[in-house]
Amino acid sequence: EAQVTQNPRYLITVTGKKLTVTCSQNMNHEYMSWYRQDPGLGLRQIYYSMNVEVTDKGDVPEGYKVSRKEKRNFPLILESPSPNQTSLYFCASRPGQGSGANVLTFGAGSRLTVL
Amino acid sequence: QQPVQSPQAVILREGEDAVINCSSSKALYSVHWYRQKHGEAPVFLMILLKGGEQKGHEKISASFNEKKQQSSLYLTASQLSYSGTYFCGTVLLIQGAQKLVFGQGTRLTINP
Repeated sequence: EAQVTQNPRYLITVTGKKLTVTCSQNMNHEYMSWYRQDPGLGLRQIYYSMNVEVTDKGDVPEGYKVSRKEKRNFPLILESPSPNQTSLYFCASRPGQGSGANVLTFGAGSRLTVL
Repeated sequence: QQPVQSPQAVILREGEDAVINCSSSKALYSVHWYRQKHGEAPVFLMILLKGGEQKGHEKISASFNEKKQQSSLYLTASQLSYSGTYFCGTVLLIQGAQKLVFGQGTRLTINP
C-alpha cells in the first residue's frame, strides 16, 4: 500500500531532551515536507526537500532540523524541544513531476507534547 | 502569505448546502483543497488551475477566480461523511519557485 509512515504517533517529552520523528514513504516521491498543525493556524510548513541532499526552510523552521540522506526518509529533529513545539506534526510527500505531481500524501500525524 | 478561509466553522443538517471561501492577497498559480476528518491526516480533494475552471469530487465542487484571487468550495446536499476540517492551499510563485501555503482551515460539522 502506498503510504507515508511516521513514528512515533504520540510522544510526551521534557524540555531540552533531543528527539527525532521519523518519516518514510514507499512511493518513490522526490518531494517531502514537514508541517505542524495548531488550532486556528492551520498547516504550517517547517522544512521541505525537493530531492536527496536538498532541503530548505519553510515558514516556521526555528528549533527544527531535517536531513534527506535517502529518497524515502525525511526525519524531523528537535535538538532541544521547548513547550511551544507542542503540536501535531505531519509529514507529506508528492511525486514532484508527472501526473499528480503536486498532490500531497500525508502521514497519519505525530502528536508531540513537550513539558 | 497565508490565505484566509471563511467561515472558520459551520454547522449544518444533513442534506443542506455549504460554501467555503478561500481568499489570497497575492496572485495565485493554483488552488488545492484538502479534507481532514477528525483524528486523521488531510486527504487531497482537488486542484484548480488558472482559468476559472470548476472541478468536482462526489457532490463537492470548487471554482477558482484568478482575478479575484479566491476559490470557493461547494458542498451540495451534504452527507454525514462530509464532516471534517477543510483546508485550501494556495500556490504562489515566490522567487521563481512554486510554494504551497495552507489556510487556517474551516471546520464543517454535519448533524443528522
